[in-house]
Formats: sequence, C-alpha cells, structure tokens
Amino acid sequence: EAGVTQFPSHSVIEKGQTVTLRCDPISGHDNLYWYRRVMGKEIKFLLHFVKESKQDESGMPNNRFLAERTGGTYSTLKVQPAELEDSGVYFCASSQLGVSGANVLTFGAGSRLTVL
Amino acid sequence: GNSVTQMEGPVTLSEEAFLTINCTYTATGYPSLFWYVQYPGEGLQLLLKATKADDKGSNKGFEATYRKETTSFHLEKGSVQVSDSAVYFCALKDQAGTALIFGKGTTLSVSS
Repeated sequence: EAGVTQFPSHSVIEKGQTVTLRCDPISGHDNLYWYRRVMGKEIKFLLHFVKESKQDESGMPNNRFLAERTGGTYSTLKVQPAELEDSGVYFCASSQLGVSGANVLTFGAGSRLTVL
Repeated sequence: GNSVTQMEGPVTLSEEAFLTINCTYTATGYPSLFWYVQYPGEGLQLLLKATKADDKGSNKGFEATYRKETTSFHLEKGSVQVSDSAVYFCALKDQAGTALIFGKGTTLSVSS
C-alpha cells in the first residue's frame, strides 16, 4: 500500500508570504496528525484530526496556522503570513480509527519549510 | 509537563563499534516509550518500543530497556553498520494523551 505522502518536499518562501503543505494519509486511515521539527529541537505535536474533525489542536503555535481536512481524506496546513521562526520540517502521520497506540502511526517523509 | 531528553549528537562511529544513545524522560504515571528512526529522505519509522517497566524493546539488533527507577530508555546496538546512519528520536506517550512527545533527535554517522 502507498505510504503517507507529503508535498512539497521543500518550500522556500519570503517572510510574509503564504505556504500550504499537503498530506495524503494512507487510504482508510481516519486519524491524521501534524508534527513539526524546528532545526535542532524536538519534534512537536501540532494537531490531530479524526476524519474531518479536529480532535486536538493544542499544539498549534498561533492563528497564522490553519489546518483543514475537508472530506476526511487529505489534509492541508497553511501558514499565513509566514515568519522566520516557522522554518522547520513538518511531518504528517496517520493511523486507523480506534487505534491510538503510537506503534501504528505511519509517518510521511516531511515537508521542509524555509522562510527567508 | 512530560518531556524527553536525549544525548546531543552527532555521534560518529566506525563500523562494528558499540552504540549507546542515552534517553531520559519526565512523565507522570506509566508512559509508553519508543525509539523512532529517520533514514535520509524517508519518514519516521518506529524502531522499537516498551510499554511497562523492565520491558525490553528490540529490533534490527537495537535494544532498549524501560528503566523506571532511572527514568531512562537508552538505545544500544552491539555492532553498528554503515546502513544504521540516520537520526534517532526517543519518544514517550502518556496514558492519557494522544500525542507523542519527542526528544531532539541524535544523528548517527557510521563510517566503513
């Protein structure tokens, strides 16, 4: 089966611009998570979707970040306007509904965002 | 709050050397503990896990033992290979939460 797909793999934008990252989870996976790793720091949880609903968005840093998952399939994470501190790697992960154990989380390769 | 601390990298070893990457945690209750690995150009992959005290997780020659008395989950491998070069992340998940809490990651570079 296809894994979790993220794109773009790398995006370079100017401060103040907008970027949209996309995640395609494994087909049939209702749980979808976004994480972020800022250079040299921990991978931090951003939010969790169950189907199209936001289950937990406690990790979203501020209102410049907007995550959507219309239709409960793919998800987008938009940063508007981007700031320098938003640079990092954004990971998406998915798992089947009803299975919250981390051992069944499948991660994507990540989208690297560079804000200049 | 919950947190994970792992040794700073990079770690540079010769092939067949012994590897230890230290990981300690702070958490309430009895969290589950994990090691994830990210090979170049790939996503995070679960390497091994342990869900209760004294459990030993193992996979691909790597091992880690859940030590509650020292709140540690150190990763070890007896003989590393060039193909083990990657970034290794220690993580925990507490009983109540849905999110993984990661350490900063340790880059391992193995040369032949």
